[in-house]
Amino acid sequence: GDSVTQTEGQVALSEEDFLTIHCNYSASGYPALFWYVQYPGEGPQFLFRASRDKEKGSSRGFEATYDKGTTSFHLRKASVQESDSAVYYCALGEGTNTGKLTFGDGTVLTVKP
Amino acid sequence: GPKVLQIPSHQIIDMGQMVTLNCDPVSNHLYFYWYKQILGQQMEFLVNFYNGKVMEKSKLFKDQFSVERPDGSYFTLKIQPTALEDSAVYFCASSFGQGGYEQYFGPGTRLTVL
Repeated sequence: GDSVTQTEGQVALSEEDFLTIHCNYSASGYPALFWYVQYPGEGPQFLFRASRDKEKGSSRGFEATYDKGTTSFHLRKASVQESDSAVYYCALGEGTNTGKLTFGDGTVLTVKP
Repeated sequence: GPKVLQIPSHQIIDMGQMVTLNCDPVSNHLYFYWYKQILGQQMEFLVNFYNGKVMEKSKLFKDQFSVERPDGSYFTLKIQPTALEDSAVYFCASSFGQGGYEQYFGPGTRLTVL
């Protein structure tokens, strides 16, 4: 079945550091790709999505580019802040006939001031 | 952004009892979902509901599980009877469409089965 792999389980950075969280996917079709962020005590919040090859999604300084060739959707931010500390999930939506989201394991980001 | 509400935030029950988890989805959304997350594990899809019907369910959606949204009120997940392995956080989500549409999640209901 379809799957999402996030390489980093935990990332620890200082403010103004550059962030990369790696996300690779495996899907039989042409999925939509998403990034969600989850703060303690809350549900996942939609960050942004991309639906086709080479499309870039972005929000709040975070961005990722859909790469069908490498089956990747890596999350990047040029300068993190302490308030970015949260769990980040990469997810895929399998197609127009299903609403199911398949999530990665999540990456815990901790940003120190 | 749009808000999904879930009631209660925490429920503790004895094994074998029935439990109903309630979700108030975003008002103009048409598709509704339940996901399950066991502590420290992956978020997993349970079921997708549209136009009064279950559209898709995973193998985690056991026979003891049911969903409904009577007359546009709460979207509910009922478990009857509960088992120890049902202990988890259950997240409700809603979306306007399927596939490429973003889903909006509630804060979750933490279910503890003793």
